[in-house]
Parts: sequence; structure tokens; C-alpha cells
Amino acid sequence: DAGVTQSPTHLIKTRGQHVTLRCSPISGHKSVSWYQQVLGQGPQFIFQYYEKEERGRGNFPDRFSARQFPNYSSELNVNALLLGDSALYLCASSFRDRESSPLHFGNGTRLTVT
Amino acid sequence: DAKTTQPNSMESNEEEPVHLPCNHSTISGTDYIHWYRQLPSQGPEYVIHGLTSNVNNRMASLAIAEDRKSSTLILHRATLRDAAVYYCILSAYGGATNKLIFGTGTLLAVQP
Repeated sequence: DAGVTQSPTHLIKTRGQHVTLRCSPISGHKSVSWYQQVLGQGPQFIFQYYEKEERGRGNFPDRFSARQFPNYSSELNVNALLLGDSALYLCASSFRDRESSPLHFGNGTRLTVT
Repeated sequence: DAKTTQPNSMESNEEEPVHLPCNHSTISGTDYIHWYRQLPSQGPEYVIHGLTSNVNNRMASLAIAEDRKSSTLILHRATLRDAAVYYCILSAYGGATNKLIFGTGTLLAVQP
């Protein structure tokens, strides 16, 4: 079975630009979450969507936005990129949005902002 | 969100058991205990989770203290592939999301 797939795997952008990251969840999973992982730290929660509705938002500025499509895939958008946005962006899917539903992570998109 | 405390790093020998500790003294009665691990250049991988009773699956065992203020992830026979960062995470039961609050985890090194 295919796991969570993310695209692109690597990306280089310039300060001030916009970026869109994409995620396809495991088939049958209706919840998608986004995490940011800076080098040397654990992943930090950005968003969660379930059935196309936002279910949670982490402590990130409004430059970060996301959405979930009818096929449950998701996009993460970041506007006005800053050097500090350089990180590994992880997408995770789960069957439900409840605490007993384990998250399945993709291998991430490595974003470098220069 | 309740916090967890883990050692920064641990070492183990291949084919020996590994006990990874986690302290969560401020855990509430409805917090689940989750363990994830992250191998180099990969996303985190679910290992196991539990609420009150000890849990076993094909990857590991989770031993939860009677007062639930600490837990231990047990890898029964470490392999080189088990070298990873292990995260112990609490999440609230009955919450509206299954978001995870990661700490810095324990870096496990496995020696051949």
C-alpha cells in the first residue's frame, strides 16, 4: 500500500516568494496534518484538517495557510517567505482526527529559503 | 499540553533489549501516551500508544507505571535499524484533534 506522499521532495526559494507544498494521504484516511521540523528539533504542529474542515492550528503566522480537497489531499501554502521558514515540512494522515488514531507521516519536503 | 522528559541520548548493543524511559509527572487521567520514532532522513513513524495498561505490538512494548507518571518503551532485541530519535508524547483523550506536541526526544545509538 502507498504511504503518505509529499511533493516536491526538495525546494529552494528566495525570501519574499510564495510556496505550495502538496500531500496525498493514505487511501481511506480522512485527516491530514502539517508539521514543521527545524534542524535539531522535534516536529511542530501547524494545521490539521478532517473532512475538509480545519480542526486545529498551531502557533504560526497568517502567512501559513492550508486546505484539504474532496479527495482528502492537502496543500500547505506559505507566503512572503522568510529565512526562518527553512525547514522540513511533514505531512501526516490518519483515519480519524481522534487521539486513538495514529499518525502516518510522509518523508517531508525540504524547503530552503535563501 | 502536558510535557514529557526524556534523556537526550542512549546507547545499546545489537540484539540486546533497550528500555527507553519517559517521565510525565503532570499527566492527566485522560492523556494517552504515544511513542513515535524518526529514522535519519525520514518522517516520524508510529511505534505504540496506550492509556493505562501495558501494551504490546510487533514493534515494541509499552510499560506504564501504576501512577502513570512515567512510562518505558521496550525494544526487545535492538537492531541497527532501530537507531533513531524516539519521541514520547502525550495527547488528550476526547480532544478535537489528534495533534502531537513533540519534544526533542531520545537519540538511540545501536552498536554492532
